Amino acid sequence: LAKTTQPISMDSYEGQEVNITCSHNNIATNDYITWYQQFPSQGPRFIIQGYKTKVTNEVASLFIPADRKSSTLSLPRVSLSDTAVYYCLVGDISNNLFFGTGTRLTVIP
Amino acid sequence: DGGITQSPKYLFRKEGQNVTLSCEQNLNHDAMYWYRQDPGQGLRLIYYSQIVNDFQKGDIAEGYSVSREKKESFPLTVTSAQKNPTAFYLCASSIVVTGQGAAEAFFGQGTRLTVV
Repeated sequence: LAKTTQPISMDSYEGQEVNITCSHNNIATNDYITWYQQFPSQGPRFIIQGYKTKVTNEVASLFIPADRKSSTLSLPRVSLSDTAVYYCLVGDISNNLFFGTGTRLTVIP
Repeated sequence: DGGITQSPKYLFRKEGQNVTLSCEQNLNHDAMYWYRQDPGQGLRLIYYSQIVNDFQKGDIAEGYSVSREKKESFPLTVTSAQKNPTAFYLCASSIVVTGQGAAEAFFGQGTRLTVV
């Protein structure tokens, strides 16, 4: 099972772009990379998922280099409401969802 | 509305008692999961099920039991063997996509269990 490593915490000012990097050195060929957002006392919410290169949706972009051993979640122009914990998951073929400790992002006014 | 529902939202248990947390989904998802979250920590997988009448242990299954008699339901029982059950419990469901790995999961709002 591929393990992930993320920074424990990050701070950013409102309006800035935030990039959170996740390392997953033993990612398997069929694994996808998925990011979730969690607010206190709520269940995590899906943000974005990708396999290679770049994926973009209305809330974020996901950059995956060719070797797929890392990935970067990019949040454009963050606001105070983006303060949350962000989890990077790398799925194995049996679809188990293993979460790590995540990255606690604090957006400062 | 489609979604995943956990009940109750808050639950109090006396030491030595078993208690069952409910999780129901109407998303027609094959896979369901139970997680435990302690304050300031990430989610830890307790049990998961990919099909009816089958389930597997996650990282911290000791002191917990589950059943999957129906596709829509995946109740979790916290037994008296669980030494420190006070935590926030989250249930999730997802589709099973062969060869894709972790598909998008939908989470319930959680049950906060407190042992008194």
